[in-house]
Amino acid sequence: DAGVIQSPRHEVTEMGQEVTLRCKPISGHDYLFWYRQTMMRGLELLIYFNNNVPIDDSGMPEDRFSAKMPNASFSTLKIQPSEPRDSAVYFCASSDRGPQPQHFGDGTRLSIL
Amino acid sequence: SQQGEEDPQALSIQEGENATMNCSYKTSINNLQWYRQNSGRGLVHLILIRSNEREKHSGRLRVTLDTSKKSSSLLITASRAADTASYFCATDGGGSEKLVFGKGTKLTVNP
Repeated sequence: DAGVIQSPRHEVTEMGQEVTLRCKPISGHDYLFWYRQTMMRGLELLIYFNNNVPIDDSGMPEDRFSAKMPNASFSTLKIQPSEPRDSAVYFCASSDRGPQPQHFGDGTRLSIL
Repeated sequence: SQQGEEDPQALSIQEGENATMNCSYKTSINNLQWYRQNSGRGLVHLILIRSNEREKHSGRLRVTLDTSKKSSSLLITASRAADTASYFCATDGGGSEKLVFGKGTKLTVNP
C-alpha cells in the first residue's frame, strides 16, 4: 500500500516566485494535514482538511499561503509570492480518524533564494 | 505554542544500551503519541498511549504516562545503530483533531 506521496522532494526558487507543493494522501484517509518544519520553530501545523473541507487554517502564517483539496486524493499548498523566510521542510500527513495516528510523507525541502 | 517538550534535546549512547526520552505537556490530553524521524524522511508513528493507560509496550519500546505530572517517557531497550533518529511526542490537547508536536530528542546510537 502506497504511503503519503509528496512532490517535489526538493524545490529551489527565487524570492517572489510562486511555489506549489503537492500531496497525495493514503487512499481512504479522511484527514489531511500540512506541516512546516524548521530548526527554530520545530513542526508546526499549517492547515488541515476533513473530507476535503478545510477545518482549521489558523496556522497559515500569511495570506501568501493557500491550500486546496479539490478531491480526496490530492491537495496543494501554494506560496505566492515566496520569501526567503519560507524556506523549510513542508510535510503532508493523512489519517483515517482525526489525529491518531498520522502517516507522513517524506516532505518537500523548500529553499527560497 | 508547543504543547509537548522533549528532554533531553540530544542523547548519545552506545549500541546495546537503553535510551530514555521524556516529554512534558501542559494541558489535558486524550492520548499521547510518539513518532520517529530519520534524517531526511517524514515522521513515523511508533506508539499511542491513552490517558487512562499508564504503560504500553511495543517490541523494544516502552512508554509510560503520568497524567498527574503531565509527562511521558519513551524507553528504547537494547538500542541499535538503526535507532539513530529524532523522536517526538505529540498530544491532542484533550480531544482536538489536531496534534501538537514537541521539538524532539535527537538520539545517536554509536556502533
